Amino acid sequence: SQQGEEDPQALSIQEGENATMNCSYKTSINNLQWYRQNSGRGLVHLILIRSNEREKHSGRLRVTLDTSKKSSSLLITASRAADTASYFCATATSNTGKLIFGQGTTLQVKP
Amino acid sequence: GAVVSQHPSWVICKSGTSVKIECRSLDFQATTMFWYRQFPKQSLMLMATSNEGSKATYEQGVEKDKFLINHASLTLSTLTVTSAHPEDSSFYICSARVTSSSYNEQFFGPGTRLTVL
Repeated sequence: SQQGEEDPQALSIQEGENATMNCSYKTSINNLQWYRQNSGRGLVHLILIRSNEREKHSGRLRVTLDTSKKSSSLLITASRAADTASYFCATATSNTGKLIFGQGTTLQVKP
Repeated sequence: GAVVSQHPSWVICKSGTSVKIECRSLDFQATTMFWYRQFPKQSLMLMATSNEGSKATYEQGVEKDKFLINHASLTLSTLTVTSAHPEDSSFYICSARVTSSSYNEQFFGPGTRLTVL
C-alpha cells in the first residue's frame, strides 16, 4: 500500500522560481528519500534524510523532515527547465530496504 | 553511482505469452533486489522483494504464480510475467540494494515497458 501522500499533484512554474513539494506519511520511518523520474524513464535518487535529521541540502535541493507531523518537503531553488520531471518521496520503515512511494508531484518548469 | 540495467527496455507480446525481464547490477553485488510496477501517471507500487538464493517475498495482492521471480546470483534477478494479459501492460522497474549499505541505498534500473496486445 502507498504510504506517502504528496502535494501538489502538479506544479507549473517559471524558470528561476523556487518549487516546493510536500510529502506526508503515516507510520514511523527509518529514513525518507526523494527521487526524480523523467517521463518514461527510471528513477534518479536525489537525497536521503534520516529520521533523526531535520534538514539536508544538496546543491539546489533542500529537504526538511518533521517526524512529529510525519511530513517532508523538497525545495528546488532557482529552477531550470531541465528540472521538469515527476518527483517522488519514498519512505523506508526498517532496514529491509523496502521503499513505499508517495503519489508524486509532476513539476513543469517553463523556460 | 552504481549502475543497474534492465533488459529488454521495451517488449510487446501477445496475450497468453510469457515475458522475462532481467535486472542486473553491473558494478556491485546486490543480495536484495526489488520489483516495482508503474501504471501511466501513477506512482511505483512495490511488487516483490527478491533475495539471492531464497524465495521472493511478494506484496499483498501480487500473484506469485503470475509474476515469477528468480534471483540466482548476486547480480541478476529476473521477473517473468506468465500468461500475460493486456491488464499486465505497465512499466516494470527494478532496484538493487547495495549489500554494504546500512541506509537502504538502492539504485534503480531504467525500467521495462511491457505492452500486451
